[in-house]
Amino acid sequence: DQQVKQNSPSLSVQEGRISILNCDYTNSMFDYFLWYKKYPAEGPTFLISISSIKDKNEDGRFTVFLNKSAKHLSLHIVPSQPGDSAVYFCAGNSNSGYALNFGKGTSLLVTP
Amino acid sequence: DAGVTQSPTHLIKTRGQQVTLRCSPKSGHDTVSWYQQALGQGPQFIFQYYEEEERQRGNFPDRFSGHQFPNYSSELNVNALLLGDSALYLCASSLAEGSGNTIYFGEGSWLTVV
Repeated sequence: DQQVKQNSPSLSVQEGRISILNCDYTNSMFDYFLWYKKYPAEGPTFLISISSIKDKNEDGRFTVFLNKSAKHLSLHIVPSQPGDSAVYFCAGNSNSGYALNFGKGTSLLVTP
Repeated sequence: DAGVTQSPTHLIKTRGQQVTLRCSPKSGHDTVSWYQQALGQGPQFIFQYYEEEERQRGNFPDRFSGHQFPNYSSELNVNALLLGDSALYLCASSLAEGSGNTIYFGEGSWLTVV
């Protein structure tokens, strides 16, 4: 069963605009969430994370928002740059387990 | 500071054969996990090793086995290969103890089973 869902397989945004990538989860035991970025033929690169005790975490152009009641999180990229074009994966993790549970990814294309 | 390194990067095997993939964790990390990523899917957890023992296992058959060495490096072995085992195999390393620790991935080993 898919415990983490990324319902948008792809997203296209103009350079300089905001990119918003969404992620939903079903497992209420998740207490830590991570976003990874993946270029073709490379492994996933860690981007940003958030603990369930927070509702927002910011790192430069990247901000992750967590809405625990809705079991929803989103990654905002502002401003978007062509180099941000990649597949973005959302993952959840619980302290009672060690596995990262990944969504299927959203392919972001930032056009000039 | 070397990140997570994996070998080989690409390999082709025949159905029924066995394969061994290798991983060296990021410097200072003691925990290694393995993931399988099929085309168009997110990575799926295979198992995690800590202190040379399998600490947790995902929903994968016993054909998938692993090992962790005293220097924290790890191997993933897959026996009796099936066509469906064709995937990107990712190694990830972290410090021990549950969530809250960032997990770093290697570039992966592409396995093609023909």
